[in-house]
Amino acid sequence: SQELEQSPQSLIVQEGKNLTINCTSSKTLYGLYWYKQKYGEGLIFLMMLQKGGEEKSHEKITAKLDEKKQQSSLHITASQPSHAGIYLCGADMLNNTDKLIFGTGTRLQVFP
Amino acid sequence: SQTIHQWPATLVQPVGSPLSLECTVEGTSNPNLYWYRQAAGRGLQLLFYSVGIGQISSEVPQNLSASRPQDRQFILSSKKLLLSDSGFYLCAWSGPSGYQETQYFGPGTRLLVL
Repeated sequence: SQELEQSPQSLIVQEGKNLTINCTSSKTLYGLYWYKQKYGEGLIFLMMLQKGGEEKSHEKITAKLDEKKQQSSLHITASQPSHAGIYLCGADMLNNTDKLIFGTGTRLQVFP
Repeated sequence: SQTIHQWPATLVQPVGSPLSLECTVEGTSNPNLYWYRQAAGRGLQLLFYSVGIGQISSEVPQNLSASRPQDRQFILSSKKLLLSDSGFYLCAWSGPSGYQETQYFGPGTRLLVL
């Protein structure tokens, strides 16, 4: 079973719509990282969350880590075609960032 | 600023042939280095990580090996490729402390073994 579950696996939204991607673990997350990947390319770092209840924003993307530090959500407001790609969450579950566990990713498509 | 390079970008190799993928980092010293593989429909799987020259930790038993001949150079190798080695290989680096350090990824190498 996957230690880090991402949902949904795939998402198709119309431009301008809001959307949320979730990343859930049964274990405490000591560090939670969100990355974006365009097909066939490397991962681009978006945000890192460490503290329970923490929330960070960058342009139209907001990420939150719940108080229990077991779930994170990534919210995109007024989506644009440039937001399309694969979003991956990675987590430090051992309090040792040498080893990140990654979710399977969420493929986002945004159509005009 | 720091940059990470990987090459080649794409590689098609026959089964049984050797492999050498290279990753180099610029603009930082004594980074932690990582090799990941991304297979279709799966997340990233950590293959190897290194905290210093000549120090390699393997995460999963496999047909691959890694080496770090220089501080900012990380090489992924195989003596004989298998079909199952096909995938997208990503190299990443993080600060030397490791703890709570963000990992930054290279552009990746797509490997197809036929």
